[in-house]
Amino acid sequence: EDQVTQSPEALRLQEGESSSLNCSYTVSGLRGLFWYRQDPGKGPEFLFTLYSAGEEKEKERLKATLTKKESFLHITAPKPEDSATYLCAVLFSGGYNKLIFGAGTRLAVHP
Amino acid sequence: SQTIHQWPATLVQPVGSPLSLECTVEGTSNPNLYWYRQAAGRGLQLLFYSVGIGQISSEVPQNLSASRPQDRQFILSSKKLLLSDSGFYLCAWSPGEGQPQHFGDGTRLSIL
Repeated sequence: EDQVTQSPEALRLQEGESSSLNCSYTVSGLRGLFWYRQDPGKGPEFLFTLYSAGEEKEKERLKATLTKKESFLHITAPKPEDSATYLCAVLFSGGYNKLIFGAGTRLAVHP
Repeated sequence: SQTIHQWPATLVQPVGSPLSLECTVEGTSNPNLYWYRQAAGRGLQLLFYSVGIGQISSEVPQNLSASRPQDRQFILSSKKLLLSDSGFYLCAWSPGEGQPQHFGDGTRLSIL
């Protein structure tokens, strides 16, 4: 069964304390992996797309990497404004432009 | 630039009442359009998607329906709401297959 699992479910960091979020997937034929940020009461905001193993993308304090079985979202020296839920989603060859979403990681960064 | 609008932002409806949620996209043509539902603490569940006017694919059997009367308009409807229809409904668009989906700010639907 095609599945996306994110860990941890929740993460509490001190400002400046770097960490990583994990997104593991079991799908037949990965066509793309997407990272989103979601603030409370809002729709997800697109961050990155990764298409092949070994690919990396960066934006400010965030860096996303992809292997054949998982993706990591690395957060370097986070600030309180990075607090949000981070979602990953997978596009697979069996579904036409249909994303499978993980349940997300709730990140809280405290000053 | 492209923008996506959803309304209303919040809706409280009695059980058995009808529903109509609207989503429009500006600044692009022939987008792929999607309706999702997000339950608390869970991932987004795809409900419907459309690749063109009048073309709707349903992912989950339910008492909801979707329509696309115009190129950039997507409507989610129900004739009779159930308590289980409560949730956060999100509309999204993408330029085409394999491209990122971009979301609206959602509608919080509460059924009483």
